[in-house]
Amino acid sequence: DGGITQSPKYLFRKEGQNVTLSCEQNLNHDAMYWYRQDPGQGLRLIYYSQIVNDFQKGDIAEGYSVSREKKESFPLTVTSAQKNPTAFYLCASSDRGRGTGELFFGEGSRLTVL
Amino acid sequence: KQEVTQIPAALSVPEGENLVLNCSFTDSAIYNLQWFRQDPGKGLTSLLLIQSSQREQTSGRLNASLDKSSGRSTLYIAASQPGDSATYLCAVETDSWGKLQFGAGTQVVVTP
Repeated sequence: DGGITQSPKYLFRKEGQNVTLSCEQNLNHDAMYWYRQDPGQGLRLIYYSQIVNDFQKGDIAEGYSVSREKKESFPLTVTSAQKNPTAFYLCASSDRGRGTGELFFGEGSRLTVL
Repeated sequence: KQEVTQIPAALSVPEGENLVLNCSFTDSAIYNLQWFRQDPGKGLTSLLLIQSSQREQTSGRLNASLDKSSGRSTLYIAASQPGDSATYLCAVETDSWGKLQFGAGTQVVVTP
């Protein structure tokens, strides 16, 4: 089935460590996004990519990094510079530019800093 | 900066009653508006997408309206069921890059 796969579902990190969250899609979408969700708040955009080898900072990019070497993959690294990384992270993709722009989400990765 | 507000933050209704969820936004220059459903601990599922040139969209028991001039959208869910219990989020697309600005959501509980 077509969709977006995020892994791992749960991740625990010690302070000072970098961690990488995986996001893979087989929807043939050009655009991919990373959002962060905190309790009681709406989703906030971390990074987005419209095409391979190109990406842009969102509203809260500090302490995060991404790469887009393949169309299907958009991994997110949470670095030790991120002051409050405990959150629920959601990856999404869309056919923006060729279709309606409807956004499709993965099941999320929950990161907890110990 | 675009701000999206959803009121109320939580809502409880008995089964069979119609649900009315509200979403307001401050800047009417939007590309589209989307409604999503989120179950606890899960990702978001797209429910309806309304293009900026449209007034409403319908899918089964769901109907969403859009009034850009007043900065409002309403999601109607007819004849609610316990399975409709979830958090509903609205989001507006603010530029051609597909960036969405989200509301904080309305948590809905439908009691049997």
